[in-house]
Amino acid sequence: QQQVKQSPQSLIVQKGGISIINCAYENTAFDYFPWYQQFPGKGPALLIAIRPDVSEKKEGRFTISFNKSAKQFSLHIMDSQPGDSATYFCAAFKRNDMRFGAGTRLTVKP
Amino acid sequence: NAGVMQNPRHLVRRRGQEARLRCSPMKGHSHVYWYRQLPEEGLKFMVYLQKENIIDESGMPKERFSAEFPKEGPSILRIQQVVRGDSAAYFCASSPMTRILNYGYTFGSGTRLTVV
Repeated sequence: QQQVKQSPQSLIVQKGGISIINCAYENTAFDYFPWYQQFPGKGPALLIAIRPDVSEKKEGRFTISFNKSAKQFSLHIMDSQPGDSATYFCAAFKRNDMRFGAGTRLTVKP
Repeated sequence: NAGVMQNPRHLVRRRGQEARLRCSPMKGHSHVYWYRQLPEEGLKFMVYLQKENIIDESGMPKERFSAEFPKEGPSILRIQQVVRGDSAAYFCASSPMTRILNYGYTFGSGTRLTVV
């Protein structure tokens, strides 16, 4: 069963624009929500993460917004750059059980 | 401090052969996880191991797939009698002990298996 649903599947944004990727989870036992960035031919790399007792976390141009009651969280990439073009995965974690969304392929056009 | 090392990076097998994928976790990491990524799809959990123990294999196909993490040496994901549908990228991740502040997994660069 898919425990983490991610949308959109693909996203095209102009340079300087805002990229928004959304995820929803089902199991309230999840207690850690990371985002991973994957470039072609590489493994996923941890980008930013949030715990459910926080509604927002910002690191540079990357922001996670978390809505615990709605069981939703999203990644915002401000001032998107061509170098941000990659596949982004949201995930939800509990006790050594990490479940991933299906991924969003982001393309930032120059 | 080397990251998670996976080898080989690319593996080509004919149908019916065996595939062995290796993963050396980061130094100090005692937990290993294997994920499979099919083209245009996300990461699907396969198995979670600690040294000499399989903790959770709920994502492993019941037949032909096995995994181990011996006391000495890398973790091995073994696929017997490979079929075309096994073609995928297989990623290994590692983490330190449980119940720590940082739950992030560190992934290797993956092994891309092609079955011809």
